[in-house]
Amino acid sequence: EAQVTQNPRYLITVTGKKLTVTCSQNMNHEYMSWYRQDPGLGLRQIYYSMNVEVTDKGDVPEGYKVSRKEKRNFPLILESPSPNQTSLYFCASRPHGGRYTDTQYFGPGTRLTVL
Amino acid sequence: QQPVQSPQAVILREGEDAVINCSSSKALYSVHWYRQKHGEAPVFLMILLKGGEQKGHEKISASFNEKKQQSSLYLTASQLSYSGTYFCGTEPSGTYKYIFGTGTRLKVLA
Repeated sequence: EAQVTQNPRYLITVTGKKLTVTCSQNMNHEYMSWYRQDPGLGLRQIYYSMNVEVTDKGDVPEGYKVSRKEKRNFPLILESPSPNQTSLYFCASRPHGGRYTDTQYFGPGTRLTVL
Repeated sequence: QQPVQSPQAVILREGEDAVINCSSSKALYSVHWYRQKHGEAPVFLMILLKGGEQKGHEKISASFNEKKQQSSLYLTASQLSYSGTYFCGTEPSGTYKYIFGTGTRLKVLA
């Protein structure tokens, strides 16, 4: 089954404790993204990756890191989480970035609470 | 920079029609539409391309006015299952970022 998986689904942590949210897709997609969703602010892109070893900032990259060492995986790293990073996070993938007629597939989401 | 959607919220009775608009200040090459149920991931509905090509979904259709940089989503004979928040999404020309619209909450009542 074609899918995007994220782990963990729920996470409660404390300020400053490094964490990683994993994302994996099994569709051989080149383009992957991380989004955060906050009430009243909608979905905002944190980082995206056009392909292996190619990543770039979205609209809200501060406080986050990503890496793309393999095509299928795109982990999101919070080196020193703060309460303002409490949010619902989605990983997503598309066959390609750019001007293509591609559907974007989303993972189930990770609800993160930073105390 | 974020595309603006209107209305922000709409309540319908089953069987009624609705139109959701998405307006961008930047040139668009394509527009995607999504529906999101509360607490779930967005689900792709359709894509509209510059030049008029459209890929659709059942009773939901859409239009794309490239000159005005606007897209409209048309939901006909709404069903209870149409309830949710609708987002437009796009890759503005000249960037590989992806930007979502402000969202429209739609509730269909029996």
